[in-house]
Amino acid sequence: DAGVIQSPRHEVTEMGQEVTLRCKPISGHDYLFWYRQTMMRGLELLIYFNNNVPIDDSGMPEDRFSAKMPNASFSTLKIQPSEPRDSAVYFCASSLRRQEQFFGPGTRLTVL
Amino acid sequence: AQSVTQLDSQVPVFEEAPVELRCNYSSSVSVYLFWYVQYPNQGLQLLLKYLSGSTLVKGINGFEAEFNKSQTSFHLRKPSVHISDTAEYFCAVSANDMRFGAGTRLTVKP
Repeated sequence: DAGVIQSPRHEVTEMGQEVTLRCKPISGHDYLFWYRQTMMRGLELLIYFNNNVPIDDSGMPEDRFSAKMPNASFSTLKIQPSEPRDSAVYFCASSLRRQEQFFGPGTRLTVL
Repeated sequence: AQSVTQLDSQVPVFEEAPVELRCNYSSSVSVYLFWYVQYPNQGLQLLLKYLSGSTLVKGINGFEAEFNKSQTSFHLRKPSVHISDTAEYFCAVSANDMRFGAGTRLTVKP
């Protein structure tokens, strides 16, 4: 298995631009999580899905953030418009039945 | 909802010394417990997990952890650390959902 795949690995954009992060979970996993990690705030859960349905989005910072999971093999996290304070590493993780989560390599986002 | 507290934000230790990273949790229901490690510029990877059964759990790289239900703890231990163990370690608890602790930065000095 290839593990959780995230793209792009690095993204540099200018303030105000739309950013889309992509994630392919491990085949057969029924949970998908999006996290953000910064030095100041550590690892934060943004949203998670179960069987493609968003269950808890209370960690999404504000309306500029949105996430979708159109099918079991793909999810996106979108930021529109982006701001410098959104600069962070964004991780996607998947799991089977709430057991251990498998993390992707992360997307390092820099908003100038 | 459950919560996780990692009692030490930073742990410096000399090479070949033993180390213990502390983790306490709170939950009103049965939980699964995990320790993850994050090396610089990488994602988190699973070190070990407790789902049920023996309370002493062995993981990769010589780490082990003990589940103590009465003290609601899941401390991580290694009898002799190496320079390569320098990393961030996260404790996590899964019940209704999964919660991660704030992390403990282990620095192994020569």
